[in-house]
Amino acid sequence: AQTVTQSQPEMSVQEAETVTLSCTYDTSESDYYLFWYKQPPSRQMILVIRQEAYKQQNATENRFSVNFQKAAKSFSLKISDSQLGDAAMYFCAYRVGGAQKLVFGQGTRLTINP
Amino acid sequence: EAEVAQSPRYKITEKSQAVAFWCDPISGHATLYWYRQILGQGPELLVQFQDESVVDDSQLPKDRFSAERLKGVDSTLKIQPAELGDSAMYLCASSLAGFWNRGVTDTQYFGPGTRLTVL
Repeated sequence: AQTVTQSQPEMSVQEAETVTLSCTYDTSESDYYLFWYKQPPSRQMILVIRQEAYKQQNATENRFSVNFQKAAKSFSLKISDSQLGDAAMYFCAYRVGGAQKLVFGQGTRLTINP
Repeated sequence: EAEVAQSPRYKITEKSQAVAFWCDPISGHATLYWYRQILGQGPELLVQFQDESVVDDSQLPKDRFSAERLKGVDSTLKIQPAELGDSAMYLCASSLAGFWNRGVTDTQYFGPGTRLTVL
């Protein structure tokens, strides 16, 4: 069975600093996709960034980037120049190609200190 | 910008009562998902529809939960009877691609959720 593990229940960072959230996953599939979702308090979950497993280049979206280590089954999220609006629960998720179900990790609560 | 709509946003009920949640996906989205998110955990899929057909309900407690998407558009999730352990956030999501589209990088868009409290 596919599993996703986020080992950091909570993280905090000073505004304008950089923070990295960790995620590992377990799968025997070769075709899959990885995602980071953000869930602000009392607001809906939104996609932050995604990575296709067949791509070697790490995905980047403005201040958000990932470090995808396929052999190690690791998929960390780096947030640069942290802003107060980045405070949220962050979920790492996995999806097998050809199916649409997302398998989520337990989440990391990120606090931004002004 | 189109969004996934859900109602009600909050529901408080007593155990053994029936509850129902409604979801309206983004127009044109073929696939609809219901996830359950227990406090402090990540969401877990309950049921997935491709148009009006169920394609995955392996984690749906079928003795008390039911879901339908009769015309392949909006969907209803029902619990009868509710139990204390059903207290959670129920999230609906939709995506444009169909279940059988292999290799498609497809985004799931989530609604705001219904927070259920069973007393």
